[in-house]
Amino acid sequence: DTGVSQNPRHKITKRGQNVTFRCDPISEHNRLYWYRQTLGQGPEFLTYFQNEAQLEKSRLLSDRFSAERPKGSFSTLEIQRTEQGDSAMYLCASSYRGLSNEQFFGPGTRLTVL
Amino acid sequence: GIQVEQSPPDLILQEGANSTLRCNFSDSVNNLQWFHQNPWGQLINLFYIPSGTKQNGRLSATTVATERYSLLYISSSQTTDSGVYFCAAEGMDTGRRALTFGSGTRLQVQP
Repeated sequence: DTGVSQNPRHKITKRGQNVTFRCDPISEHNRLYWYRQTLGQGPEFLTYFQNEAQLEKSRLLSDRFSAERPKGSFSTLEIQRTEQGDSAMYLCASSYRGLSNEQFFGPGTRLTVL
Repeated sequence: GIQVEQSPPDLILQEGANSTLRCNFSDSVNNLQWFHQNPWGQLINLFYIPSGTKQNGRLSATTVATERYSLLYISSSQTTDSGVYFCAAEGMDTGRRALTFGSGTRLQVQP
């Protein structure tokens, strides 16, 4: 049983460029989450999917951010016109719809915007 | 939304010592989890514990839901226990499935 995987693990980009990250959840999990973590802080929620439906977005998810989960499998998070403040670790998690909503996290994608 | 506070923010122990980490939350919870974040940033699941007590080796956790707190116990600490420990809670708000994280407890175990 493989865990949550994320690609790439590291991304360095110049300000103003677009970047896209991918998350592959645990295979039987139908819920998928994106979080962002900056240095010295706990992760902060960005958005949540149940199957292919995006059910919740936080105020942190500005217009430059978009997430998709086509066919309810993998998900992508795109950041357009990156800014230095976007530098952070982007974490993906998945869970199985049921009585327990225990979330399992991937290794993260570390984004550095120069 | 739910607020999560962790204490202490930093903890330094000698190898072999015991410790207790605390997590207070402001609302009733559907889900409460403890994580250990390793130096590479990976969040490792320690406990899923919205109520009750669980044990896993040298680690145990207790959540008293009615009093809105959870405790993580580490016994006979080892240097490999070093890292940041996060508590995260999902409030009982209808339809909200996100975890709200505390600021973490940074643990350093010295040999």
